[in-house]
Amino acid sequence: QVQLQESGPGLVKPSETLSLTCTVSGGSLSRGSYYWSWIRQPAGKGLEWIGRIFTSGSTNYNPSLKSRITISLDTSKNQFSLKLSSVTAADTATYYCARDYYGYDYWGQGTLVTVSS
Amino acid sequence: QSVLTQPPSVSAAPGQKVTISCSGSSSNIGDNYVSWYQQLPGTSPKLLIYDNNRRPSGIPDRFSGSKSGTSATLGITGLQTGDEADYYCGTWDSSLSARVFGGGTKLTVL
Repeated sequence: QVQLQESGPGLVKPSETLSLTCTVSGGSLSRGSYYWSWIRQPAGKGLEWIGRIFTSGSTNYNPSLKSRITISLDTSKNQFSLKLSSVTAADTATYYCARDYYGYDYWGQGTLVTVSS
Repeated sequence: QSVLTQPPSVSAAPGQKVTISCSGSSSNIGDNYVSWYQQLPGTSPKLLIYDNNRRPSGIPDRFSGSKSGTSATLGITGLQTGDEADYYCGTWDSSLSARVFGGGTKLTVL
C-alpha cells in the first residue's frame, strides 16, 4: 500500500521560500510510470494544482506559479520536494502531495503552511 | 476563477440520486480524461472516478461518471448521509499544459 507524508515548516515569513518534502513508502519513486504532484487548498476553498514531476525527473508547473516553483526528486530517500519562493499571504494553504496515475490515486494527509511575519 | 465550472452546491434526500456537472472546453475536458474526487470534511481528497467513468477498487457502484463533449457528470445514487462532502472534477488542459480542477461542489444530503 503506497503512503505519502508531507513534512516541512508550518510557518513561513513573507518573501521567503516555502520548502516541503513528501516521503513515499510502499513503493519506489524511481519505478513505474507515475507523476508525483503537489496540490494546495486554501482554507474553505478549492484545489489548486501546483505542479508535478515524472519518475524520469521531467516537470510540469502551474503557469501562474511557474516562476516561483521548483519540484525535485530524491530517489535515494524516496522523496520529492517543493520549493515555492517569494511567498505572500496568498500562499497560505494546506499543501498535499499525491501520486498521479490515472487520477490522483494516493494522497498525503496534507500539511498547513501559513505565511505570516 | 476555476478553469472547470461546477455548481457550488447540490442537495437531495437520502436514498435519492444526484448529479454534479463539470463544464470545460475543447482543450481540457474535450481532449482529456476526467477524474472525480470526494473530500469529506477535514480529510484529503479521495479518487472516485478516473478515465471519465472507471471506478478504483473499493469505490461502490453507486458512484458513476460520464463525459460528453466538453462536459462531464458525476452521478451518485442511493444517497447516504456519509456522502455529504465536497466533490471536485479534474483533468489535464492541453493548452495550459497543466492539471486543472473545478471549483468544487458541496453535496448536502437532507
